[in-house]
Amino acid sequence: AQSVTQPDIHITVSEGASLELRCNYSYGATPYLFWYVQSPGQGLQLLLKYFSGDTLVQGIKGFEAEFKRSQSSFNLRKPSVHWSDAAEYFCAVGAGGGADGLTFGKGTHLIIQP
Amino acid sequence: DVKVTQSSRYLVKRTGEKVFLECVQDMDHENMFWYRQDPGLGLRLIYFSYDVKMKEKGDIPEGYSVSREKKERFSLILESASTNQTSMYLCASRPSGESWNEQFFGPGTRLTVL
Repeated sequence: AQSVTQPDIHITVSEGASLELRCNYSYGATPYLFWYVQSPGQGLQLLLKYFSGDTLVQGIKGFEAEFKRSQSSFNLRKPSVHWSDAAEYFCAVGAGGGADGLTFGKGTHLIIQP
Repeated sequence: DVKVTQSSRYLVKRTGEKVFLECVQDMDHENMFWYRQDPGLGLRLIYFSYDVKMKEKGDIPEGYSVSREKKERFSLILESASTNQTSMYLCASRPSGESWNEQFFGPGTRLTVL
């Protein structure tokens, strides 16, 4: 069975600073990988996804993520954070085929300092 | 604009009550999902459905059942609510085909069982 680890429960970053959120996955085959964001009181919104091809994936809101098979990682990055980026971030992995659901990490809570 | 709606944002029920959580999507998606979200645990899959009247257990189905009589509607049922089912419940839908297709989430229902 697949699993996802987000080692950082909370991260605090100053506004304008760069950001990297870590995600490690466990899956036997080529994974389908996702990053979702959940703003306070909101549902989940997809930031970006990876299935194949270029290992550097661009998403919405200026986010990007890099798939590294050798490290089983899919870290999320942003060069300069804005106060509106404060939210909960979830990494998720999906197995191939069918209607299977996603396996989510426990989330990383991002705090932006002024 | 794609939309997944959930019947209630907040719900308070008593122990032993039968509880229905409703989810409707207007995107003609084949696949629908129910997750629960708890602090420090992320999202966990309860049940999913890949077609009308079809259902599959997810990772934590105990204490829950589901119903899908129409393509656009997927209901989560708590037969006899218990305090440990106090949680945020998220519904999602996804079209059939490649598993890397985005799952679209509703805003969530925060259920409190007293």
